[in-house]
Amino acid sequence: EAQVTQNPRYLITVTGKKLTVTCSQNMNHEYMSWYRQDPGLGLRQIYYSMNVEVTDKGDVPEGYKVSRKEKRNFPLILESPSPNQTSLYFCASSSPLGGQGRTEAFFGQGTRLTVV
Amino acid sequence: AQKVTQAQTEISVVEKEDVTLDCVYETRDTTYYLFWYKQPPSGELVFLIRRNSFDEQNEISGRYSWNFQKSTSSFNFTITASQVVDSAVYFCALSEAEYQLIWGAGTKLIIKP
Repeated sequence: EAQVTQNPRYLITVTGKKLTVTCSQNMNHEYMSWYRQDPGLGLRQIYYSMNVEVTDKGDVPEGYKVSRKEKRNFPLILESPSPNQTSLYFCASSSPLGGQGRTEAFFGQGTRLTVV
Repeated sequence: AQKVTQAQTEISVVEKEDVTLDCVYETRDTTYYLFWYKQPPSGELVFLIRRNSFDEQNEISGRYSWNFQKSTSSFNFTITASQVVDSAVYFCALSEAEYQLIWGAGTKLIIKP
């Protein structure tokens, strides 16, 4: 079954304690992204990757890091989490379809992070 | 600059009513994609439709239909004969670059029995 898997689904942590949210896709997609969802703001892109070892900042990258060492995995790292990073996080993957454009983005189940 | 506006924050209707969710977008590109996603109370994002900028045909899928009008930069979504299970937050999104989606703020749809 084609899927994007995020872990954990729920996480409560304290300010300053480093954490990693994992994301893995089994569709061999080139593109992967992280988004955060906040009330009234929709989803905003944090970081994206166009392929292995190719990553770049999205609209709200401050306080986050990513890596793409393997095509299937795209972890999100919060080196020193702060309360304003409390949010719902989604990982997404998609793939180009050549001249026909690209696939829709497939999303993980989401990770609800609370930083106290 | 790219932007997606969903002016309706929340809509509440009684079951079996028709309801239209509005989406207005801004882009300077001639090639772009528009999407609708559904987020039920369980939180996951469910893909509904993708439309590219060269295809202005309206689409119908069961009780769902989409009206894409480039002249007004709108991509509206209509649910016919709404059901309680349609209750969710619905997002419209725009993509120019292949690696990024620009999202509207979402419309919370409440269907009352």
